[in-house]
Amino acid sequence: DGGITQSPKYLFRKEGQNVTLSCEQNLNHDAMYWYRQDPGQGLRLIYYSQIVNDFQKGDIAEGYSVSREKKESFPLTVTSAQKNPTAFYLCASSVTGTAKYEQYFGPGTRLTVT
Amino acid sequence: QKEVEQDPGPLSVPEGAIVSLNCTYSNSAFQYFMWYRQYSRKGPELLMYTYSSGNKEDGRFTAQVDKSSKYISLFIRDSQPSDSATYLCASARGGSQGNLIFGKGTKLSVKP
Repeated sequence: DGGITQSPKYLFRKEGQNVTLSCEQNLNHDAMYWYRQDPGQGLRLIYYSQIVNDFQKGDIAEGYSVSREKKESFPLTVTSAQKNPTAFYLCASSVTGTAKYEQYFGPGTRLTVT
Repeated sequence: QKEVEQDPGPLSVPEGAIVSLNCTYSNSAFQYFMWYRQYSRKGPELLMYTYSSGNKEDGRFTAQVDKSSKYISLFIRDSQPSDSATYLCASARGGSQGNLIFGKGTKLSVKP
């Protein structure tokens, strides 16, 4: 059953703590993306990766870090430097080439930082 | 001006109605246009994907792009209560690395 999994579904952290969100895909997609969604706002791109061991900053990368050691996995770390970390985080993947705009999303992780 | 604008609604229609959802965009370099459906607390689901201008139909859904007016539309025929969700439009510039620009989403409610 192919798809994208994100874990956990809900995550609670205290302010000042780093937290890592998991994203795994078995679609054999080369490209993976992290978006953030806030109430009343569209999705905003945090980081993306077109290939293993390479990634680029999106529009709102400050306070976040990623790694891409395996094709299937693209974890996102929300650091204590992120000023407003409470949000719904969505991971997506796609093939590369002209079909890269067909992005498929995981179920999301809702992060609450207090 | 936001690159992709979308009326947030909410939009409420009776079951069986034809629904029209719309977005406008400002960047004339956008060539790829997507519609996603997002149920509450779930990830977005890709509904329609179009390149450049024209219409694309898939079952009860029709996506329409008018590049001359920078207008994107999604039509839902014979709407069902299960269509109640937030609909997100997204656009991308050809040659970009795949990063999509999203509208804020329109919340649709289809009443039985």
